[in-house]
Amino acid sequence: DQQVKQNSPSLSVQEGRISILNCDYTNSMFDYFLWYKKYPAEGPTFLISISSIKDKNEDGRFTVFLNKSAKHLSLHIVPSQPGDSAVYFCAASAGGGSNYKLTFGKGTLLTVNP
Amino acid sequence: DTAVSQTPKYLVTQMGNDKSIKCEQNLGHDTMYWYKQDSKKFLKIMFSYNNKELIINETVPNRFSPKSPDKAHLNLHINSLELGDSAVYFCASSQPGGSDTQYFGPGTRLTVL
Repeated sequence: DQQVKQNSPSLSVQEGRISILNCDYTNSMFDYFLWYKKYPAEGPTFLISISSIKDKNEDGRFTVFLNKSAKHLSLHIVPSQPGDSAVYFCAASAGGGSNYKLTFGKGTLLTVNP
Repeated sequence: DTAVSQTPKYLVTQMGNDKSIKCEQNLGHDTMYWYKQDSKKFLKIMFSYNNKELIINETVPNRFSPKSPDKAHLNLHINSLELGDSAVYFCASSQPGGSDTQYFGPGTRLTVL
């Protein structure tokens, strides 16, 4: 049962354009969402997060949008750069506390072409 | 200065063997985790420890036994390895509490022949 879904396994964009990565979730108990970036042979690296009390969080070129009613979030990268080419994982958590754990999507491979 | 380190990076072994993967974090975090990324690329949590105490055990077979000698280390011992154990195993750490970011190690690619 996939509680976090990233339906696009891959995305290709031109350098300088916008990259939009999408994520859907089914568990209404999720209240915190994160995006991780992963290069080959490395561990996931935290990119940006958003709490369910917000609908937008911005950090430089990266913006995450949350639509709770649709159980959907997206990551926008503007402008995209070749160094952004990586696998992007959407993750979610519920409740927190010492029982805190992340549920991950399957990832989307982003390729930014020069 | 590596924040979360794992050894070894690659591990190739025969079915039935016992192996260990070590994890250390120098971030001063209280909570550590083991995740498994299988052939379908899903990253799934296996265990979490908070201050050396087991908090989460996600129905992982008994052949997997985590050990936390202190809060900076969480090792994973696997007995009687099976083909299906082949995966990449990631260690992570975070401060306790709901929304804190988890920091991941580089992963250990385990191949069982």
